[in-house]
Amino acid sequence: SQTIHQWPATLVQPVGSPLSLECTVEGTSNPNLYWYRQAAGRGLQLLFYSVGIGQISSEVPQNLSASRPQDRQFILSSKKLLLSDSGFYLCAWEGADTQYFGPGTRLTVL
Amino acid sequence: AQKITQTQPGMFVQEKEAVTLDCTYDTSDPSYGLFWYKQPSSGEMIFLIYQGSYDQQNATEGRYSLNFQKARKSANLVISASQLGDSAMYFCAMRPDQTGANNLFFGTGTRLTVIP
Repeated sequence: SQTIHQWPATLVQPVGSPLSLECTVEGTSNPNLYWYRQAAGRGLQLLFYSVGIGQISSEVPQNLSASRPQDRQFILSSKKLLLSDSGFYLCAWEGADTQYFGPGTRLTVL
Repeated sequence: AQKITQTQPGMFVQEKEAVTLDCTYDTSDPSYGLFWYKQPSSGEMIFLIYQGSYDQQNATEGRYSLNFQKARKSANLVISASQLGDSAMYFCAMRPDQTGANNLFFGTGTRLTVIP
């Protein structure tokens, strides 16, 4: 069966510091992968998606970037965090019927 | 452009009763899918149910059913026999059927509280 992992689970970072969040999927090959952000009390906003290695599409202009160095690895990065980057970050992979989400990373930027 | 609207920020239901969570959508795509997810306090997004735009029958999954009214562009979630563990945020989402990546568009959610 397929599983999706995210780490870290929680992160507290100062403004201006770099960021790297990792997402890996097991049990499937070449899945479509997605990064979403959820602000407190809000719905999910799609940030990036990838249909294959090295293929990244951005939905929202911002100071975040994404990379897909391996088939089942998706990384969300930033060179300098802003206060507005705080939120809950969810990675998802696309199955036959829908998207399945990882456990998420809760990021607090102070 | 796609838009998902959930007009109920919060709902209360008595344990063992049924509850309906509202969802309306707007899209120009001829083919699409509709989804409901549950998000407990732990934060994980749990897939509940799916309805295709061309499906003739309403989807059901255990205690969950989706009341799909295509002409009204509504896709309400019905939870029967509510349990305390149903207390969570519920999100309606839509995905246009297209090649390549299929992005999900989410509503703002409804917080359901089940009262013992």
